Formats: sequence, C-alpha cells, structure tokens
Amino acid sequence: DTEVTQTPKHLVMGMTNKKSLKCEQHMGHRAMYWYKQKAKKPPELMFVYSYEKLSINESVPSRFSPECPNSSLLNLHLHALQPEDSALYLCASSQVAPGQGAYGYTFGSGTRLTVV
Amino acid sequence: TQLLEQSPQFLSIQEGENLTVYCNSSSVFSSLQWYRQEPGEGPVLLVTVVTGGEVKKLKRLTFQFGDARKDSSLHITAAQPGDTGLYLCAGAVAGGTSYGKLTFGQGTILTVHP
Repeated sequence: DTEVTQTPKHLVMGMTNKKSLKCEQHMGHRAMYWYKQKAKKPPELMFVYSYEKLSINESVPSRFSPECPNSSLLNLHLHALQPEDSALYLCASSQVAPGQGAYGYTFGSGTRLTVV
Repeated sequence: TQLLEQSPQFLSIQEGENLTVYCNSSSVFSSLQWYRQEPGEGPVLLVTVVTGGEVKKLKRLTFQFGDARKDSSLHITAAQPGDTGLYLCAGAVAGGTSYGKLTFGQGTILTVHP
C-alpha cells in the first residue's frame, strides 16, 4: 500500500460546527503532516508529527487541533472556523532519518473544506 | 529560514514546445523533490534528487540538481496537453529545527494548448 487516504473528500461546515479530518497511511512512515493549500498556491505547512509526537506547529490558530492516535492515523479537529479557512487540506507522510531528512514523501488527495 | 524561488510562475505554450522550470535557493537541501498537481487533487511526486549534479529522466521530463544542492531545474521536451498542471519544487533539510519539513517553491502553472 503506497497511498495516503484522506476522508472526507469534501466538507462544508458552519462557523459554529465541530468536525474532524482524517488521514491514514500503511507505509510504515513515522512522520505525518498537515498542510493547507489555497488555489494555485503551494501547500503551507501546519503541523508535523514525528514518531507520533507533535514536533512542529507553524503558529496555527487553536481552532485547528491535530491528533496522532497511532503511527498510521492523523486527525485534524476543526472548531469555530472562519470563512477564510476554506481551502484544500492535505495530509502527507514520509520516512525521516538522521542525515537524510524527510524522504518518500507522499501526499493524500486532500479534503476540500468550505466554511460558510 | 530556507526559501525556494521558483520561476516562471506562469507558462502558456503550444503542444510540441520545450520548456524549463527553475528552482533556486541560497540554502543547501539534503534532497529536492518535484511534484505535479491537478486541480482538487494532492501533489503527486515526480522525482526526488539527492546528489549534487544528479540528472534524472522520466520519459520527456529531465530533472537536474545543482552541484551545490541549492538549485534544480525541470525540463520538458515536446510538451503535451496532458502535461498541464501546477508544478512544485520542494526541498528537504537533514536536521535542526526543520527536520522533516519541506520548503516549497511558489509553483509554476503550466498550460499546454493543443
């Protein structure tokens, strides 16, 4: 299995809703990532988990809350979002090794989020 | 902070033409990756280059990593409409606080007209 699976593919939520995005990989990758991407722009890193521990938080607002229950799963909990948070949310995974950085980077197809 | 300058930002060409996309940085990367992304989908990895001076070919696509591992290029020969998409370069560093982090270029939106 060489895929990163994201669900749901599309999500419309109100500003008072609570929802979660899910990501799963079975490649044995020990680093997992959340990215946010606006149309025709590069992905922007939000969070990095390395060996199930949060290693990088790129100053993301607290209305986004990541969770890594085990080495295969990554969730992003959403609460009280704003319309400007509408974007494609991408999950990725990779191997990481000292001296090599991240390799085998694989992206999911993303969740298209619309906040109304 | 590592930065990757990608150019051009937009490229509109006719089928059969050749093109080159560049990524430049003042930082050294342990590896550099090229992705292609279609609307509504995630980026799909085309190639990873890790050795300074490395050249990799993928059918009509040729990728080069600079000797100093600070820059890279993607050359497409005889472009086809199916090559249309957003092309992204991304660099990874081996250690420090950026461990595991990818630095993306701004992207090149390529349109190939039949």
